[in-house]
Amino acid sequence: QKEVEQDPGPLSVPEGAIVSLNCTYSNSAFQYFMWYRQYSRKGPELLMYTYSSGNKEDGRFTAQVDKSSKYISLFIRDSQPSDSATYLCAILSGTYKYIFGTGTRLKVLA
Amino acid sequence: DAGVIQSPRHEVTEMGQEVTLRCKPISGHDYLFWYRQTMMRGLELLIYFNNNVPIDDSGMPEDRFSAKMPNASFSTLKIQPSEPRDSAVYFCASRLPTGELFFGEGSRLTVL
Repeated sequence: QKEVEQDPGPLSVPEGAIVSLNCTYSNSAFQYFMWYRQYSRKGPELLMYTYSSGNKEDGRFTAQVDKSSKYISLFIRDSQPSDSATYLCAILSGTYKYIFGTGTRLKVLA
Repeated sequence: DAGVIQSPRHEVTEMGQEVTLRCKPISGHDYLFWYRQTMMRGLELLIYFNNNVPIDDSGMPEDRFSAKMPNASFSTLKIQPSEPRDSAVYFCASRLPTGELFFGEGSRLTVL
């Protein structure tokens, strides 16, 4: 079983839709969770990070962690064509080991 | 802050040539990482440094790969000799003491 599982997509939605991106993880000891956005031919950009269960909101983005289910989500409200990118979840295991999901490709159609 | 700066952005070389990739981390960050990204394997950790000291290089695929960090503001990843299977995007990332990891724009390497 992979430590982090992420649906690769692609996911296509109309502009204005609510997008839900998800990852599951295997180790209940994981404490630090991140979401990255990667545009084509660019580096991953840190979008959200959280230490705890529950929700964290930043503008149109909400990161949700459910430690009991070992499930993390990123919600994008009022999605825009500029949100079209690959989204990677990441988990910090220990001091330095960042475990990345394979990424979900999102396309928001105008 | 300018973020993590990598050079070159693109490199095309022939098999057997030496390749040197460069990275300037964000000032004040205590860890520096080198990753490789391919479609097949996603992001793979190659090596990381803490306060300029290499801590774990178990991800370096072969002895052809080496990395240095002579000071807090500069690191290199060298491949000698390069092979076509080394073609990938190589990312440098640096980390805040609180754990947030920031990536550069990457160096896209093509070995013919």
